Amino acid sequence: GAVVSQHPSWVICKSGTSVKIECRSLDFQATTMFWYRQFPKQSLMLMATSNEGSKATYEQGVEKDKFLINHASLTLSTLTVTSAHPEDSSFYICSAVAGATDTQYFGPGTRLTVL
Amino acid sequence: GENVEQHPSTLSVQEGDSAVIKCTYSDSASNYFPWYKQELGKRPQLIIDIRSNVGEKKDQRIAVTLNKTAKHFSLHITETQPEDSAVYFCAAFTGDSSYKLIFGSGTRLLVRP
Repeated sequence: GAVVSQHPSWVICKSGTSVKIECRSLDFQATTMFWYRQFPKQSLMLMATSNEGSKATYEQGVEKDKFLINHASLTLSTLTVTSAHPEDSSFYICSAVAGATDTQYFGPGTRLTVL
Repeated sequence: GENVEQHPSTLSVQEGDSAVIKCTYSDSASNYFPWYKQELGKRPQLIIDIRSNVGEKKDQRIAVTLNKTAKHFSLHITETQPEDSAVYFCAAFTGDSSYKLIFGSGTRLLVRP
């Protein structure tokens, strides 16, 4: 149980385009989902917390107009990187929490490369 | 807010030896401390966790200790094997309604055959 999927697993896009990444909890309802960004050889940096049916809470320094997060259902959250630039190239990982619990289940990640 | 520091950044051990990774946290309200193993290009996998009401927890070759007074916790891997080579992250959960995990900077463990 507690499986989280992400789609796509990798994406290459041109600078200036937008990219949408999906995060799904496959066998449980995720009241809260998190989006992380991980640069090579670095730790996971939390970008935002996404609660179903409400606006995402962004961490300091993360541009909410650039990284659009939507959590429309208890099993799906999406991250849209708008007007992507090469510096946005990174490994994006989501995680999900089931109910009032502290255990996070991670998705497999999406590698974004912006040319 | 919470801050988690992790040491060392890299650790190289001979197969069969033990490996110890240490983390400190700043928020005394933190009450849950998971450890994750991440192989290159893959998702972090939870390998063991400990809660603030427990001082030590063991699962086969892996153990975690927690010192709440000193606000530090450690991961111990005994009888290391080459497949233990990976990046290990500690994390702390503050226990508030945000359910956020704050991660350490990671330790790259290399087990030499």
